[in-house]
Amino acid sequence: DIQMTQSPSSLSASVGDRVTITCRASQTISRYLNWYQQKPGKAPKLLIYAASNLQSGVPSRFSGSGSGTDFTLTISSLLPEDFATYYCQQSYSTPTWTFGQGTKVEIK
Amino acid sequence: QVQLVESGGGVVQPGRSLTLSCAASGFTLSSYGMHWVRQAPGKGPEWVASVSYDGSKKYYADSVTGRFTISRDNSKNTLWLQMSSLRADDTAVYYCAQEGDYYGTLIFDFRGQGTLVTVSS
Repeated sequence: DIQMTQSPSSLSASVGDRVTITCRASQTISRYLNWYQQKPGKAPKLLIYAASNLQSGVPSRFSGSGSGTDFTLTISSLLPEDFATYYCQQSYSTPTWTFGQGTKVEIK
Repeated sequence: QVQLVESGGGVVQPGRSLTLSCAASGFTLSSYGMHWVRQAPGKGPEWVASVSYDGSKKYYADSVTGRFTISRDNSKNTLWLQMSSLRADDTAVYYCAQEGDYYGTLIFDFRGQGTLVTVSS
């Protein structure tokens, strides 16, 4: 199975900060990489698909980039509602899709 | 609107069985592949099983192969996950998810609240 490793596991940031989360795949996955946001007690919500495409309704302060094995999720200016846990997920290896372990964004 | 309502979770002893259900509404279930994804406490999501739109193809994670069975009845708008020989490491919130294909990328569309399965003696 393709392993997905996120860094950092957690970070503390302030409202207005620029935040970058990294996801690394154990082998090349082209651009078959999605990002989800999850808030406590809720299901994950799709933010970015195919590495850099913003899901409908997701604010433009979220962006994704990368290809091959290295990917990033960037929040350009953190808002209070963005404090959550973020997961990457590869869809290159069918049918064994895998997620990262998550990055928790906390309030500083 | 699209809704997925998971049910059937609870506390079960190791080695026993449990069946989860997912009731779909607001879309044509027969047009979509469907998945079960679980999330153990404090961990990232883990894909568990998937079934094609017509039920003809089924896939399982290695961790559940031979113990879990996914099925669907499009006429009843329902998806199931039959779980047997349950182990402590099966403890998780189980979500059903609608499959989406965006620019050739498979995504999981979670529309429910999940159902908690706790395996404990």
